[in-house]
Amino acid sequence: NAGVTQTPKFRILKIGQSMTLQCTQDMNHNYMYWYRQDPGMGLKLIYYSVGAGITDKGEVPNGYNVSRSTTEDFPLRLELAAPSQTSVYFCASIYEGATSYNEQFFGPGTRLTVL
Amino acid sequence: QKEVEQDPGPLSVPEGAIVSLNCTYSNSAFQYFMWYRQYSRKGPELLMYTYSSGNKEDGRFTAQVDKSSKYISLFIRDSQPSDSATYLCAMTQGAQKLVFGQGTRLTINP
Repeated sequence: NAGVTQTPKFRILKIGQSMTLQCTQDMNHNYMYWYRQDPGMGLKLIYYSVGAGITDKGEVPNGYNVSRSTTEDFPLRLELAAPSQTSVYFCASIYEGATSYNEQFFGPGTRLTVL
Repeated sequence: QKEVEQDPGPLSVPEGAIVSLNCTYSNSAFQYFMWYRQYSRKGPELLMYTYSSGNKEDGRFTAQVDKSSKYISLFIRDSQPSDSATYLCAMTQGAQKLVFGQGTRLTINP
């Protein structure tokens, strides 16, 4: 298993440009998440999905959109990039189906700079 | 008030020292409490998790939860240079949505 993979690893955008951050998991996990981590800070939840076709907002959703057409993929879309979106973006996934805790697996991250 | 507060450090200690990392939280609905380790330019990796108040030990690491005080700790015994990383506390309620602390950057000096 490759686990959670993210592309690209790095990207520089100009203000107003758009891009899609890709996230794929091969563990048949039903829940997937997007977080952002600003320098010296913890991670903040942007969007999450509990299954194909179902998405919901997290703590900081403004400026982003997501879709979940398959179990494996959960892309994050930035429509009009702004300098405030300069951050490291992490995708994560988990199999949620029981009452006990299940580990959330993180991808390696995408470093995005908006100039 | 932030839901989860964590001293960002940085914290620098000599090899072999006992390290104590702490977080406080305000939301009494949090059910699971985690510690993640994050090496530079990598994604977070789960180190330990606990569900109820009390202690949980795993090798050199001990996680402690005090729900009455809304306070969690991570202790590292016999610290090694390879323990140098950022340690993030995290908590969750429902849909496994994690709420993270700011992270503490730890350096173990040989």
